[in-house]
Amino acid sequence: IAGITQAPTSQILAAGRRMTLRCTQDMRHNAMYWYRQDLGLGLRLIHYSNTAGTTGKGEVPDGYSVSRANTDDFPLTLASAVPSQTSVYFCASSSRWGLNEQFFGPGTRLTVL
Amino acid sequence: AQSVAQPEDQVNVAEGNPLTVKCTYSVSGNPYLFWYVQYPNRGLQFLLKYITGDNLVKGSYGFEAEFNKSQTSFHLKKPSALVSDSALYFCAVRDDDGANNLFFGTGTRLTVIP
Repeated sequence: IAGITQAPTSQILAAGRRMTLRCTQDMRHNAMYWYRQDLGLGLRLIHYSNTAGTTGKGEVPDGYSVSRANTDDFPLTLASAVPSQTSVYFCASSSRWGLNEQFFGPGTRLTVL
Repeated sequence: AQSVAQPEDQVNVAEGNPLTVKCTYSVSGNPYLFWYVQYPNRGLQFLLKYITGDNLVKGSYGFEAEFNKSQTSFHLKKPSALVSDSALYFCAVRDDDGANNLFFGTGTRLTVIP
């Protein structure tokens, strides 16, 4: 029983490089989310997906893209990383649109130099 | 627009004493409110939620929270703090407008002193 897994655990990346953060859940949840956590700012929503095949923009979507080809996977891509994208990234999922709590993955610590 | 305020960055409490972590919110419609806890180098864990009904909500690990509509608050409480409760606590809110965006506060670090 894994819940939500994220990979990699941590990564150091040169600015300008492309990077995909992976997220997989085995709970058959419809909704999935990507957040970034920065000191003093809490968690901010980057993108979300209500169900497979659909995605939406959150509070801070610029510089990021997502896809939801199936229920289980929700990768986050940084097309050309910049230092301001240095952060801890959390993937989350929930079983029903809106009302149910979100379950979080362990996070990916990304450093862009 | 939704927003959440956690006015205290840090709360210190002695072991065995009651604890309160404060949260106030702003939404245009009816609020859905959540508390999460984060231990070092871990993801967030759900503690409790208020959707509707009884204003006093009980959650995991002996925590509870009281929804106060007039004060737009949702403070987290526990009657007797444990050292193991030391962690980062986040309050979150979403509106009932159909959008699913969950807005988090900036977090409060709770330290329980033995």
